[in-house]
Amino acid sequence: EPEVTQTPSHQVTQMGQEVILRCVPISNHLYFYWYRQILGQKVEFLVSFYNNEISEKSEIFDDQFSVERPDGSNFTLKIRSTKLEDSAMYFCASTELAGYSYEQYFGPGTRLTVT
Amino acid sequence: DAKTTQPNSMESNEEEPVHLPCNHSTISGTDYIHWYRQLPSQGPEYVIHGLTSNVNNRMASLAIAEDRKSSTLILHRATLRDAAVYYCILRGGYGGSQGNLIFGKGTKLSVKP
Repeated sequence: EPEVTQTPSHQVTQMGQEVILRCVPISNHLYFYWYRQILGQKVEFLVSFYNNEISEKSEIFDDQFSVERPDGSNFTLKIRSTKLEDSAMYFCASTELAGYSYEQYFGPGTRLTVT
Repeated sequence: DAKTTQPNSMESNEEEPVHLPCNHSTISGTDYIHWYRQLPSQGPEYVIHGLTSNVNNRMASLAIAEDRKSSTLILHRATLRDAAVYYCILRGGYGGSQGNLIFGKGTKLSVKP
């Protein structure tokens, strides 16, 4: 069964450093998402991406964040200058189409620890 | 925003049916009712969704009230692997043009052997 994969599974970085989280969505999917979950809290939407551009973003997704689809398979989330409060699980998701009846498939997540 | 209300936690015994309720009294006519679950230390996983009629799939059943103001996710025989947080999510016009998911706190289901 096709699945969304994410690398690395765990990333430790120092405050102020740049990090890139990588995702490989399901191959025939067209819409891509990043969510995050701070330990013990709700899963929060960050950004959606379609046709090589951002479709929608939340208030969390400020200028420190960027997303990119550098090739036909990878989808990345970059945090330019990490802060302690960026420590969280980051989940990538993809869906074939964007209608409200379509399910999203999530990856296993990357645990980001900022020290 | 259309919101959902779920119990914080529920317990079940292994191999017994589980009924997880969700109230969504402000649901609009075009809102789909989706259920996702999140097993410990994993990403959310799609379970089932419906609009008006009851739905069945290999994982679960979804029973939707006639007035659509509530729904129930039914796990027919709970296993230890079903221990997870279950999220009831409405997807419709408020969810953004590309349908991003808005997660609440969900119901934490514990399954006892």
